[in-house]
Amino acid sequence: DVKVTQSSRYLVKRTGEKVFLECVQDMDHENMFWYRQDPGLGLRLIYFSYDVKMKEKGDIPEGYSVSREKKERFSLILESASTNQTSMYLCASSLWGLAARGTQYFGPGTRLLVL
Amino acid sequence: DQQVKQNSPSLSVQEGRISILNCDYTNSMFDYFLWYKKYPAEGPTFLISISSIKDKNEDGRFTVFLNKSAKHLSLHIVPSQPGDSAVYFCAASARETSGSRLTFGEGTQLTVNP
Repeated sequence: DVKVTQSSRYLVKRTGEKVFLECVQDMDHENMFWYRQDPGLGLRLIYFSYDVKMKEKGDIPEGYSVSREKKERFSLILESASTNQTSMYLCASSLWGLAARGTQYFGPGTRLLVL
Repeated sequence: DQQVKQNSPSLSVQEGRISILNCDYTNSMFDYFLWYKKYPAEGPTFLISISSIKDKNEDGRFTVFLNKSAKHLSLHIVPSQPGDSAVYFCAASARETSGSRLTFGEGTQLTVNP
């Protein structure tokens, strides 16, 4: 059974703190993604990675960075958390290529509150 | 610019009736479309998809219709059940990105009343 896990379900951080969100998948998927979900805005792509050490910016990368040192793990880093980064963060993974046609598998999400 | 739009933030239907969720897109490079369902405190789960070479795909109570000329797709749920109450996201992908990257709509909150 496909599984994507995220290190925390809830996090409370202070403005200016460095925040790490971890995601692990056990499906040997090439692609991994980080989204944020905000009311009325849907899921917006922050960064994605199609291979180890490879990354591409999504639609809203500002204020974020990512790291993918191993195939199964994709980390999202908030270098200096700000209140406008309060959100639900969702990690996803998928196979590479047209055969997979974009079907992504999501983790349960991390709700981050920045005070 | 919002390339995938779901114009109805919410929809309420009675149990047993049909639910119709709508989605519009602007990017003509999109050639594969998906619907995801999301319960509170859970990640989205894949529901059904359709390729641009088709105009209809059916899976049990769920049917997706695609109108390429209008750049419009819809998800029909018949009959609707209370357990279908969730947020539904429409998503699209383009062959040029190897189909990997998805663009999501804003979501529609469906409530099915017993």
